[in-house]
Amino acid sequence: GAVVSQHPSRVICKSGTSVKIECRSLDFQATTMFWYRQFPKKSLMLMATSNEGSKATYEQGVEKDKFLINHASLTLSTLTVTSAHPEDSSFYICSARDPDHNNEQFFGPGTRLTVL
Amino acid sequence: QKEVEQNSGPLSVPEGAIASLNCTYSDRGSQSFFWYRQYSGKSPELIMSIYSNGDKEDGRFTAQLNKASQYVSLLIRDSQPSDSATYLCAVMGRYSTLTFGKGTMLLVSP
Repeated sequence: GAVVSQHPSRVICKSGTSVKIECRSLDFQATTMFWYRQFPKKSLMLMATSNEGSKATYEQGVEKDKFLINHASLTLSTLTVTSAHPEDSSFYICSARDPDHNNEQFFGPGTRLTVL
Repeated sequence: QKEVEQNSGPLSVPEGAIASLNCTYSDRGSQSFFWYRQYSGKSPELIMSIYSNGDKEDGRFTAQLNKASQYVSLLIRDSQPSDSATYLCAVMGRYSTLTFGKGTMLLVSP
């Protein structure tokens, strides 16, 4: 099946710093990737849709200047959390749409961000 | 606003029993439906997709779709303790985005 990787799996940073998370589709080309955030015992919340070669589409209430998304190639999208604050601590998960599998979305393993 | 509703559970079943998970959705125009399994602290794993009315079987899993009733279900036969997880129903909308339900926690006791 389609494989999506994420790096790092876990990161702890100080308040005010920026953190970059990478999402890669390993065995397929993904023109579209998605970034989600999940708080404990809550469901997944879509943050933005990342399209290769164009600007990301952000969901309502998600600050695009705080959560920078770059999708520079068909296998890599990055999410940068800028000037992180403790309330940004969450589980960030990316997914990639596989055009060879009915456009089904396959998730990366997630990145647990803790901002001190 | 598009909504996907699931009973949060927990749904408790004994090992070997059938677990039945249900989901309703509000967008009548939705065409693609998915079930994901999420273990605690892990990311979701796609286990079933269904696109047309009726049943779709894959091993111990059967997905059922009734578009007229806007209802999707997942049956797990011969439930195992390793099936204990949260099951997320997802509905594909515009631009291939997924709207997730809050998930149903399934507990399978040995």
